[in-house]
Amino acid sequence: DSGVTQTPKHLITATGQRVTLRCSPRSGDLSVYWYQQSLDQGLQFLIQYYNGEERAKGNILERFSAQQFPDLHSELNLSSLELGDSALYFCASSVTSEIFGTSDTQYFGPGTRLTVL
Amino acid sequence: SQQGEEDPQALSIQEGENATMNCSYKTSINNLQWYRQNSGRGLVHLILIRSNEREKHSGRLRVTLDTSKKSSSLLITASRAADTASYFCATADNYGQNFVFGPGTRLSVLP
Repeated sequence: DSGVTQTPKHLITATGQRVTLRCSPRSGDLSVYWYQQSLDQGLQFLIQYYNGEERAKGNILERFSAQQFPDLHSELNLSSLELGDSALYFCASSVTSEIFGTSDTQYFGPGTRLTVL
Repeated sequence: SQQGEEDPQALSIQEGENATMNCSYKTSINNLQWYRQNSGRGLVHLILIRSNEREKHSGRLRVTLDTSKKSSSLLITASRAADTASYFCATADNYGQNFVFGPGTRLSVLP
């Protein structure tokens, strides 16, 4: 158990809908990362938040957005869902040094499996 | 495009043998990390090697990093059936950001 929790575990929805995935980082970790894992695209980094602020952006679509709240939990919002959005969505957390230019071990949650029908 | 590329894509060995996986990347990095993923589950961090390090050990794991060749290798010695999993290398750029995972090597250890 990594200490990172994600809800829900499974989500089945229809095209065009909007869903919210939730992540609680390990106690003490300030950074949260979101990843998408699909069979054809592999594991793709979406976005990182550090202590409530967006810190790095990867291959995140405009239909997707995220935020990190004062209690450090994070939510990933996926809207106008398409069939191709079906994937495993992972959240990870890390301590993250305040010194810019370093990166730390990331601890992954169990993932949310999203199925878009 | 993928920063990290693992090789081979799949590897099948007998229990007790050593398994070697390679990772190549394209740009300058801050560090390189190896992760393991059991089928459909979250990734588990194995080891991190910084750009100024050449070799690192952790239990049965040995990781090397050659920044001149932009490559890394992960060696698992005396493999066990429980080592069956996918192994990913991940890199972060010189700002410690833009994490990129390779497509992974699927390791099968046969009893």
